Amino acid sequence: GAVVSQHPSWVICKSGTSVKIECRSLDFQATTMFWYRQFPKQSLMLMATSNEGSKATYEQGVEKDKFLINHASLTLSTLTVTSAHPEDSSFYICSARGRHVAEALSIQYFGAGTRLSVL
Amino acid sequence: AQKVTQAQTEISVVEKEDVTLDCVYETRDTTYYLFWYKQPPSGELVFLIRRNSFDEQNEISGRYSWNFQKSTSSFNFTITASQVVDSAVYFCALISGNTPLVFGKGTRLSVIA
Repeated sequence: GAVVSQHPSWVICKSGTSVKIECRSLDFQATTMFWYRQFPKQSLMLMATSNEGSKATYEQGVEKDKFLINHASLTLSTLTVTSAHPEDSSFYICSARGRHVAEALSIQYFGAGTRLSVL
Repeated sequence: AQKVTQAQTEISVVEKEDVTLDCVYETRDTTYYLFWYKQPPSGELVFLIRRNSFDEQNEISGRYSWNFQKSTSSFNFTITASQVVDSAVYFCALISGNTPLVFGKGTRLSVIA
């Protein structure tokens, strides 16, 4: 299957600092990328959807100024958690979906996730 | 609105037992796709299967099998002869149109040796 690389896998930072998480599709062009947040023992919560070259669409309740998303190329999207606070500590997962000519919908592949701990 | 319900929050089985994970979905669309993903303790979601709404054939892949029943809006997942390595959280998901996946809340499966 397709590969999505997410980096870093684990980050610990001090309150007030910003953290950038990268998500790359390694063997396909990701026309759409998604960012999810997952709390312990809960399902994935969609934060935002981004299409290459366009501004991200944020889900209700997600602060766009807090969680900056950039999808500058067909293989790279970044999520920056600005001025992180302890309540931002969570597991963040990116997902990428390409465009298959033969199919109306293509599979979403997921990165390995980034565990963020804000002290 | 689209919705996926996984009523089983946690299941524990003894190794070599068969186990079925239930998934019930809701959508008004006639064209949609259903998925199962596995999330092991490491956290990475692993794609298991995709099924489109027009294909009701059951599928078997090794010890895994899936039963798609449009009449009951269900897409159940069975693991035969479970193994400890099957321990994970399993998510059922739904998509239609160009929307993101809608996930169920997941079922945590523990296989005990």
